[in-house]
Amino acid sequence: GPKVLQIPSHQIIDMGQMVTLNCDPVSNHLYFYWYKQILGQQMEFLVNFYNGKVMEKSKLFKDQFSVERPDGSYFTLKIQPTALEDSAVYFCASSLGLGGSAETLYFGSGTRLTVL
Amino acid sequence: AQKVTQTQTSISVMEKTTVTMDCVYETQDSSYFLFWYKQTASGEIVFLIRQDSYKKENATVGHYSLNFQKPKSSIGLIITATQIEDSAVYFCAMRENNAGAKLTFGGGTRLTVRP
Repeated sequence: GPKVLQIPSHQIIDMGQMVTLNCDPVSNHLYFYWYKQILGQQMEFLVNFYNGKVMEKSKLFKDQFSVERPDGSYFTLKIQPTALEDSAVYFCASSLGLGGSAETLYFGSGTRLTVL
Repeated sequence: AQKVTQTQTSISVMEKTTVTMDCVYETQDSSYFLFWYKQTASGEIVFLIRQDSYKKENATVGHYSLNFQKPKSSIGLIITATQIEDSAVYFCAMRENNAGAKLTFGGGTRLTVRP
């Protein structure tokens, strides 16, 4: 089926540094998402993005977080500065649209972020 | 606020048997959509099946089917003729019609299929 690619699969950084997580969504998809999963817990919605703008964000999407997709390239999640509690697996997802089968989310394999 | 609960943290079954995984949800919305996803050992998350709240008929895709009990706010996943490769963590999720595109996930059930 359609593939969402996430780069890198694992990233280790020092607290306070900036990190950018990259996502290559399914080519014809229009809606993009980030979810956060702390080890052993459920995935939690961070943000979704459409037509160059953030549509919705959760309380977990702190001021230090930002997303963009410049010129149809990677959909990125930037955290600046990072904090220890940002350690988690971040999943990117994309969907064709909203409603019916178009809203089926396709997920990447995640980027495991470790903040030291 | 929406909430999704999966009470079974892990289940172990013999190959070729049928297994049911439970999921209950809370919502104030009259229109909502329910999904099941599977997360494999490699971390890959795969969409399996969905149920729209206004549909009375239980969804079926391949050897996956749903037991939708709307009055109980329950959406169980049934896997028939289980295979070793069905071993994974299964997540139930819900999207409320008035909540945009946001999915709320349950905590997951780890299924182990034994030979």
